[in-house]
Amino acid sequence: EVQLVESGGGLVQPGGSLRLSCAASGFTVSSNYMSWVRQAPGKGLEWVSVIYSGGTTYYADSVKGRFTISRDNSKNTLYLQMNSLRAEDTSVYYCARAPTERDPYYYMDVWGKGTTVTVSS
Amino acid sequence: EIVLTQSPATLSLSPGERATLSCRASQSVSSYLAWYQQKPGQAPRLLIYDASNRATGIPARFSGSGSGTDFTLTISSLEPEDFVVYYCQQRSSWPWITFGPGTKVDIK
Repeated sequence: EVQLVESGGGLVQPGGSLRLSCAASGFTVSSNYMSWVRQAPGKGLEWVSVIYSGGTTYYADSVKGRFTISRDNSKNTLYLQMNSLRAEDTSVYYCARAPTERDPYYYMDVWGKGTTVTVSS
Repeated sequence: EIVLTQSPATLSLSPGERATLSCRASQSVSSYLAWYQQKPGQAPRLLIYDASNRATGIPARFSGSGSGTDFTLTISSLEPEDFVVYYCQQRSSWPWITFGPGTKVDIK
């Protein structure tokens, strides 16, 4: 079964750090575009970061310089290292797959259930 | 950045009625537009991609149309489980993908 399972969320103080994980099953992370998308309480969806199949990474301006996306191919797992966290980073964080080798090309067709990050003192 | 605008913000309809949701892009995205459905407490689910292609397992009552800057999601006959939030998303400018603010379909 194709599945993504996030973990690592929690309560952290402003300025703190957290590392999110997204374990994939049923497909290979490194063969797809893998993104993090977040959703603040009661708000819409915001793209955060992507790692391409070739390893290139990109970030939204709101997190650039603070967040780092990576993957471990041996564990088939995606990560998001979040540093210098701010109250406005409080959100549910979803990982999502965008296939590059078949339809729906480059659209996020598999999502995890999300992990909640709360930044508060 | 390509900005997506969705209208209306809230659509109040009754089960069995037809729903028409709109998404407008600030510049042309060709046909590189998707629609997602999000139920409370759940992750988004891909409904439509490339403006008009239904994703795997999506019922035929969902259809999409449009190109360039104007797009429409149509639900031909609303089922009780369809009264949730819908987002459009463009992938014309990977990696700078953007989402619309969403349309909530609620029961009249």
